[in-house]
Amino acid sequence: GAGVSQSPRYKVAKRGQDVALRCDPISGHVSLFWYQQALGQGPEFLTYFQNEAQLDKSGLPSDRFFAERPEGSVSTLKIQRTQQEDSAVYLCASSLEVASYEQYFGPGTRLTVT
Amino acid sequence: GQQVMQIPQYQHVQEGEDFTTYCNSSTTLSNIQWYKQRPGGHPVFLIQLVKSGEVKKQKRLTFQFGEAKKNSSLHITATQTTDVGTYFCAGSFGNEKLTFGTGTRLTIIP
Repeated sequence: GAGVSQSPRYKVAKRGQDVALRCDPISGHVSLFWYQQALGQGPEFLTYFQNEAQLDKSGLPSDRFFAERPEGSVSTLKIQRTQQEDSAVYLCASSLEVASYEQYFGPGTRLTVT
Repeated sequence: GQQVMQIPQYQHVQEGEDFTTYCNSSTTLSNIQWYKQRPGGHPVFLIQLVKSGEVKKQKRLTFQFGEAKKNSSLHITATQTTDVGTYFCAGSFGNEKLTFGTGTRLTIIP
């Protein structure tokens, strides 16, 4: 594909519902990152994958957040029992190399928890 | 924790004026990246700086990395309406994780 794609683009969930957000990185990109961006703020790191291995999940806010990338390409970020404070834009980014390198961001999923 | 501070938060300039945003870290960075996010859009990579004292130019944009690798700046000469957006610095502290600054939102007065 031409770039990173994410689905859905918008998600409205009632408090307590589970949601799953999908990221399709650029083909061949080794690294995949998830970020949370609140309104008017910079992206905040959630977790990082190198191929299928989750090497850093230090940014996940609680154990309600779970991410996976089982075959080293598509990734899913799952949020269980959503809370209002989970409302944000969730950005996925991929990069070609293992070391710090330019990241290509997807359009994001805007999650609203009511 | 490791934080990256960015100032100013907002900047309004007349079209044609210059613009500068500054980024600071309390600890040494291994490298720093700059991204631009248009309103309603996603961050788009502009540049990466790695070496102490490095200066890079992209047309009207000039990026600097401090000698101590703790600060960086982005300067835009003669702003145009296409420069509108939020500019983020993002620092790496020796691993894959990027720590984004709070961003500087640039608006242009025609």
